[in-house]
Amino acid sequence: SQKIEQNSEALNIQEGKTATLTCNYTNYSPAYLQWYRQDPGRGPVFLLLIRENEKEKRKERLKVTFDTTLKQSLFHITASQPADSATYLCALDIWGGSQGNLIFGKGTKLSVKP
Amino acid sequence: ETGVTQSPTHLIKTRGQQVTLRCSSQSGHNTVSWYQQALGQGPQFIFQYYREEENGRGNFPPRFSGLQFPNYSSELNVNALELDDSALYLCASSSGGQQPYLRGDEQYFGPGTRLTVT
Repeated sequence: SQKIEQNSEALNIQEGKTATLTCNYTNYSPAYLQWYRQDPGRGPVFLLLIRENEKEKRKERLKVTFDTTLKQSLFHITASQPADSATYLCALDIWGGSQGNLIFGKGTKLSVKP
Repeated sequence: ETGVTQSPTHLIKTRGQQVTLRCSSQSGHNTVSWYQQALGQGPQFIFQYYREEENGRGNFPPRFSGLQFPNYSSELNVNALELDDSALYLCASSSGGQQPYLRGDEQYFGPGTRLTVT
């Protein structure tokens, strides 16, 4: 069966450390993978997109890797801050009619303690 | 440039009733997608509209229906509400240009409508 998993429901780290979130999937072949941030009661906000032929993408303190052999993406936040506390969603971009544009994982709730 | 807006922000309905949720897409965007997000879950695709036509539908029953208007705003209608319909309903717009949503387009989400069915 097709699955997308973010294998930590919650991640607690200390301010200044690097947060690493994992997204694994099975039986999909996404051309792209996207990461979104969602604050409580709000809609997701786009952060980064990475293509299947890209190994790594960076934006300020954010870094995403995409390994299509392992079927895994890692999302890193360096020098984390309490303001980074939120739920982070990975989404497979596989537009396929009934599955829609994006298949989302359940998300990882990140808490950064001062 | 205005972002995606949704109304109402919160809604409480009784089982069996009908509800209409509204979405105004971001300026210049011609594609609107609707998602349902249950508590503790990721958003789940309901359907997409491109230039007033339905352009894909998820695994939701026919009592979930939608419309897109010439100004690209959109409505989600749910008939015969069930308790399990309680969720955050998200609208997202994207700019496919001359085509509907293309792979690699980021989506701009609205703040959502929190629907509670009692």
